[in-house]
Amino acid sequence: ETGVTQSPTHLIKTRGQQVTLRCSSQSGHNTVSWYQQALGQGPQFIFQYYREEENGRGNFPPRFSGLQFPNYSSELNVNALELDDSALYLCASSPTGVFHGYTFGSGTRLTVV
Amino acid sequence: EDQVTQSPEALRLQEGESSSLNCSYTVSGLRGLFWYRQDPGKGPEFLFTLYSAGEEKEKERLKATLTKKESFLHITAPKPEDSATYLCAVQPHKSYGQNFVFGPGTRLSVLP
Repeated sequence: ETGVTQSPTHLIKTRGQQVTLRCSSQSGHNTVSWYQQALGQGPQFIFQYYREEENGRGNFPPRFSGLQFPNYSSELNVNALELDDSALYLCASSPTGVFHGYTFGSGTRLTVV
Repeated sequence: EDQVTQSPEALRLQEGESSSLNCSYTVSGLRGLFWYRQDPGKGPEFLFTLYSAGEEKEKERLKATLTKKESFLHITAPKPEDSATYLCAVQPHKSYGQNFVFGPGTRLSVLP
């Protein structure tokens, strides 16, 4: 059973709107990353947060932003949604210094119409 | 640019028919190579981490191996419950924490 919970599971938004996706990690997992997985592709790294600060970002524009909170929860915000933003968004967490075996949530399926 | 490719794109096996999945990578210094299993509608589930060429890891019917340019996931006598997408990912030395570069995956179907 996964220790990472994501909400909502599915979401439909209109192009140009804004969306917030949420992730709740296991206690003690103070590193969280977000990935975008388009249909039929592998996940792509969006960014990582450690102790509430962004400390790594992939090739995604600034309209993708995030927050991490002291209670091990985090958010992914996407502004000005585009059709290509339709994907499965995955949250992954681990304790500090663990470079393997980190835990993914089941994801949020976002559809932009 | 760090890159991961996987082959075949899809593989259909009969139950008990052993085979191998390939992961080829180019990376500016490898910190680790990871194999994940992903079921439809679910997040990836961790299988193995390999750190250096020559290393091997086993779990039930799965065995992962690593060379300097590729990794193989060997599946021995697969069962229908092994059907899933298998993802390979590398973590470059220059990355921090969870910045993994994933391949597109191999969709495995095991028929009874």
